[in-house]
Amino acid sequence: GGIITQTPKFLIGQEGQKLTLKCQQNFNHDTMYWYRQDSGKGLRLIYYSITENDLQKGDLSEGYDASREKKSSFSLTVTSAQKNEMAVFLCASSELGGRWAETLYFGSGTRLTVL
Amino acid sequence: DAKTTQPDSMESTEGETVHLPCSHATISGNEYIYWYRQVPLQGPEYVTHGLQQNTTNSMAFLAIASDRKSSTLILTHVSLRDAAVYHCILIEGGYQNFYFGKGTSLTVIP
Repeated sequence: GGIITQTPKFLIGQEGQKLTLKCQQNFNHDTMYWYRQDSGKGLRLIYYSITENDLQKGDLSEGYDASREKKSSFSLTVTSAQKNEMAVFLCASSELGGRWAETLYFGSGTRLTVL
Repeated sequence: DAKTTQPDSMESTEGETVHLPCSHATISGNEYIYWYRQVPLQGPEYVTHGLQQNTTNSMAFLAIASDRKSSTLILTHVSLRDAAVYHCILIEGGYQNFYFGKGTSLTVIP
């Protein structure tokens, strides 16, 4: 078994601020993902990475940067927080790289509120 | 938009067996049926998945109709820890959005 740890759990930012979210996994999985979950909606893919130093854009990448410095960690940066934004950012990992259907393991999320 | 249809809510009593239905009439041949569940302040948790045959694991039994247009997640001996929103989704590959609908909110009564 393994675990995905996301920090911080809660993040409050100011409009225009650059904010960084971190994710660590000890599954030794190749692929990691960042999703955004808005209240009552599905998960939209922001970025994913199939190996260290790789980055691939998802449907929602505009306004975000990501960094995969090593296999176990994947960080997401909100480049300029939008006023009144509220969302949950979920990090996930999978073993093989996602070209085929496979199980994703999720962290507990970072809850962002922008004042 | 979600390609699956589930009831908004269901209720069960501890120790009973509950059947959670899911309709996916437009499923394509390459799509797997995945079930995840989510409780407040947690990320989605994998429950089970299948392609064509029924599957079972320590968490649940997944019954898939022969035409693959519907499936049923069966939870036996439910406990309070099984109370969650259960999402049935279709997945073809990992690099994609998860089109969660509202899912089925399962309430477990002590």
